[in-house]
Amino acid sequence: NAGVTQTPKFQVLKTGQSMTLQCAQDMNHEYMSWYRQDPGMGLRLIHYSVGAGITDQGEVPNGYNVSRSTTEDFPLRLLSAAPSQTSVYFCASSLRLGGPVAPKETQYFGPGTRLLVL
Amino acid sequence: SQKIEQNSEALNIQEGKTATLTCNYTNYSPAYLQWYRQDPGRGPVFLLLIRENEKEKRKERLKVTFDTTLKQSLFHITASQPADSATYLCALGGTGGFKTIFGAGTRLFVKA
Repeated sequence: NAGVTQTPKFQVLKTGQSMTLQCAQDMNHEYMSWYRQDPGMGLRLIHYSVGAGITDQGEVPNGYNVSRSTTEDFPLRLLSAAPSQTSVYFCASSLRLGGPVAPKETQYFGPGTRLLVL
Repeated sequence: SQKIEQNSEALNIQEGKTATLTCNYTNYSPAYLQWYRQDPGRGPVFLLLIRENEKEKRKERLKVTFDTTLKQSLFHITASQPADSATYLCALGGTGGFKTIFGAGTRLFVKA
């Protein structure tokens, strides 16, 4: 299993541009989420999904859209990039019921996407 | 508002000693607390979970305590090694596994 994969690894945008951060997992996890990580701050939840076709807002959803058409994929769209969205973005997934290896609350994170908005 | 505090200053210890990291929280009654490890340029990796009705949890050289009265968790790494050098994140959760609140993390340096 590849686990959670994210593309691209790095991206530079100009203010006002739009882009989509890709996230995919091959573990058949029901739950997926997007976080941003800024220096000196904890990971902050942007959006999350409890299954295909179901999404909801997290702590900092403004300026971002998500959709979940399949169990595997959970893309994050920046509608009109702003310098305040410069950050490292992490996608994570987890099992609804957990398993023998880890409890259901365990989140498996991707390697992250570093985004710079000029 | 809900708040998690981890020591923002890096912790420097000598190899072989026990590292102790602290996680304090306010305005929250978590059902569980997690610790993750994060290496530079990588995503967090789950280490341990302890539930509100548990006082202590161990895994190999790792030990976590959870005091809901003090609203504090301590994370211990015994017989520390340079490979343990990383940032350690504390995370609190309620009933929804994906809705967790993360601390900013504490950077640990273990010197050989």
